[in-house]
Amino acid sequence: KNEVEQSPQNLTAQEGEFITINCSYSVGISALHWLQQHPGGGIVSLFMLSSGKKKHGRLIATINIQEKHSSLHITASHPRDSAVYICAVRLSSGSARQLTFGSGTQLTVLP
Amino acid sequence: NAGVTQTPKFQVLKTGQSMTLQCAQDMNHEYMSWYRQDPGMGLRLIHYSVGAGITDQGEVPNGYNVSRSTTEDFPLRLLSAAPSQTSVYFCASQSGGLPYEQYFGPGTRLTVT
Repeated sequence: KNEVEQSPQNLTAQEGEFITINCSYSVGISALHWLQQHPGGGIVSLFMLSSGKKKHGRLIATINIQEKHSSLHITASHPRDSAVYICAVRLSSGSARQLTFGSGTQLTVLP
Repeated sequence: NAGVTQTPKFQVLKTGQSMTLQCAQDMNHEYMSWYRQDPGMGLRLIHYSVGAGITDQGEVPNGYNVSRSTTEDFPLRLLSAAPSQTSVYFCASQSGGLPYEQYFGPGTRLTVT
């Protein structure tokens, strides 16, 4: 079983819809990252969370440490949001610098 | 700042050939890493370095070598390419203090025939 599981694997939405992508993990973590990978392949960091909630524009990320679960929400989705969204965790044991990645959620937003 | 740069963007190799994927960063980051990305799988760590002269193996190191002679550069060498090494390779560097933010290069798409 993967230490980091994302759902759904694929998601298609209509422009304007509210989108939720989920990430569950089975290990103790010190932080969780949400990353975005555009069709051109580049990966950018969206959020780093260790507790609570963060918001940036139309993106909101939440984490529940007790339930080992995080969600990434996109409000008023737009076709330019189409990308792969990747959840990654920093383990609380072992190397504090290494990340363990989920397999990603492919989001397609249709106009 | 250019951030993290990688060359080449695309490469086709024949089985048994060797090559070096180049990675450089201009942010003075001590920690650098190489990942491979395969369909349906998360990014997997190949090798990493915590500073010049120090490297270590990640999850999938077999068939790859790295060196870190300077803070800026972290090349990845494929010693004898195999079709199983067909993948997209990402180099990343990480800020020194918390929250250890990751910066990724644009990736190299490698095909081994």
